[in-house]
Amino acid sequence: DAGITQSPRHKVTETGTPVTLRCHQTENHRYMYWYRQDPGHGLRLIHYSYGVKDTDKGEVSDGYSVSRSKTEDFLLTLESATSSQTSVYFCAIRLASTTDEQYFGPGTRLTVT
Amino acid sequence: QQPVQSPQAVILREGEDAVINCSSSKALYSVHWYRQKHGEAPVFLMILLKGGEQKGHEKISASFNEKKQQSSLYLTASQLSYSGTYFCGTEESGGTSYGKLTFGQGTILTVHP
Repeated sequence: DAGITQSPRHKVTETGTPVTLRCHQTENHRYMYWYRQDPGHGLRLIHYSYGVKDTDKGEVSDGYSVSRSKTEDFLLTLESATSSQTSVYFCAIRLASTTDEQYFGPGTRLTVT
Repeated sequence: QQPVQSPQAVILREGEDAVINCSSSKALYSVHWYRQKHGEAPVFLMILLKGGEQKGHEKISASFNEKKQQSSLYLTASQLSYSGTYFCGTEESGGTSYGKLTFGQGTILTVHP
């Protein structure tokens, strides 16, 4: 079982406040991802990382920034949260295995009021 | 651009079969399939690679038509545990897309006793 945790698991915040979500892995996988999931849209990639300090944008990156200063941690920051960023956020890692699958964390439910 | 999944929803009785389709407008390197139970993270089922290689779940099969950029997931003799939302994730051909998946909007599968 690939060790991946997300914190916090639930958060309610007000419009305009900064929010940081943390993804932590224990197995030194190179690739890490942040997705958001909304009804009718499936999973949409926000940002991803292919190594320490190496990150790139996904399809819905506006309003989000990321940082990866250590292999095990990938942070997602909403600089000024908006109601449209209310969503479930999933972190994932790409397993360096025979299948190259993405393994997902448990998710963070974020509500912006 | 997201791949298109069909149907959007399907209802089965135990023991019946189902096919879920995934179609992309992009040239693909691989197609991943995931299943998500309500309130849980998506779970990897299988990957199909350009060239015909298939890796993953033993009891679920899939196909990948490289010329049409289409994939189909075959669920045979369905069980109650098959219920959930199924997502395809496509990885485009080309070096800049390595490791990035674009997910379809999902297909809701419900299996009744």
